[in-house]
Amino acid sequence: QSALTQPASVSGSPGQSITISCTGTSSDVGGYNYVSWYQQHPGKAPKLMIYDVSKRPSGVSNRFSGSKSGNTASLTISGLQAEDEADFYCCSYAGSSTWVFGGGTKLTVL
Amino acid sequence: QLQLQESGPGLVKPSETLSLTCTVSGGSISSSYYYWGWIRQPPGKGLDWIGSIYYSGSTYYNPSLKSRVTISVDTSNNQFSLKLISVTAADTAVYYCANLNDAFDIWGQGTMVTVSS
Repeated sequence: QSALTQPASVSGSPGQSITISCTGTSSDVGGYNYVSWYQQHPGKAPKLMIYDVSKRPSGVSNRFSGSKSGNTASLTISGLQAEDEADFYCCSYAGSSTWVFGGGTKLTVL
Repeated sequence: QLQLQESGPGLVKPSETLSLTCTVSGGSISSSYYYWGWIRQPPGKGLDWIGSIYYSGSTYYNPSLKSRVTISVDTSNNQFSLKLISVTAADTAVYYCANLNDAFDIWGQGTMVTVSS
């Protein structure tokens, strides 16, 4: 069970859109529609932003969207805002009731 | 509103056992909708799934930790617990509990555990 692969960092200017990728295998990301994304501000607990690949929990801005193609899932943030600056983690079901996280991506708002 | 709170020692000696409890409020741990999970985050590093439990007691563990981990549930006190044996400095981390449906939905605030003599 290897960690999912995410870029270490991404950046964008306010108002722009950015996309964070999350690459796994056919045994996790590609095999199930249980990909989720979490936002973590420094010193805080992670917050669920996307689940089941593309669904948003109540209260999460519609500027956040998720998708998946093959073994790669993606999180897109549109209309980037300063408060979006945080670490983002993807997570996927990996079969047999096990879960695997990505290594995390640091988003910088320029 | 479901809330989770971790509790336990913040300092554990090497080779000893790390024990943490997660207290669930605002809902029943016996709900058939949820699993309950433990996740940890070493300082400056990413998230790592430790394991999950269903209210019935069925458990599922990260293969890399399976030989050292036990997760149990106490429905009478609406709690679930984590035990990690034979700890080393590599087990130093913030430990989070969370409820699990299709994703880790609600998280506790986390508790820092340092392994040091």
